[in-house]
Amino acid sequence: EAQVTQNPRYLITVTGKKLTVTCSQNMNHEYMSWYRQDPGLGLRQIYYSMNVEVTDKGDVPEGYKVSRKEKRNFPLILESPSPNQTSLYFCASSFGQGYRNTEAFFGQGTRLTVV
Amino acid sequence: QKEVEQNSGPLSVPEGAIASLNCTYSDRGSQSFFWYRQYSGKSPELIMFIYSNGDKEDGRFTAQLNKASQYVSLLIRDSQPSDSATYLCAALPTAGGTSYGKLTFGQGTILTVHP
Repeated sequence: EAQVTQNPRYLITVTGKKLTVTCSQNMNHEYMSWYRQDPGLGLRQIYYSMNVEVTDKGDVPEGYKVSRKEKRNFPLILESPSPNQTSLYFCASSFGQGYRNTEAFFGQGTRLTVV
Repeated sequence: QKEVEQNSGPLSVPEGAIASLNCTYSDRGSQSFFWYRQYSGKSPELIMFIYSNGDKEDGRFTAQLNKASQYVSLLIRDSQPSDSATYLCAALPTAGGTSYGKLTFGQGTILTVHP
């Protein structure tokens, strides 16, 4: 089954404690992205990756890191989480081979609470 | 100015009516446009995409694109209570190179279809 898998689904952590949210896709997609979703603000892109070892900042990258060492995996790293990073996070992947083939497939979401 | 703006809603329509969801975008070079549906607590799922001026129909859904007016809409005919969700409009920015992964989303419109 084609899917994007995020883990964990729910996470409560304390300020300053490093954490990683994993994302994996089995569709051989080139493009992968991380979004955060907050009430009234819609989905905002944090980082995206065009291929292995190629990443770029989205609209709200501050406080986040990513890496793309393998095509299928795109982890999101919060080195020192703060309460303003409490949000619902989505990973997404897409082919990105031309403007007609860029449907994004989303993971199940990770609800992060930083206290 | 937000790059993609949606009528904020919430929008409430009776069962069987036509629901009209609207979206404007600021990047005149945007190539493709997507409508996603998101049920509460779930991940977004693609309903339709459109990249040519005019209408595109799929079952009860019709997407309309007017590039001159930088306007995208989604019509849902014969609305059902199961259509109640948040609808997200997304635009793919000016084509080329790394942009294919950089979807920009609007803030979403909450639709409620009441029996």
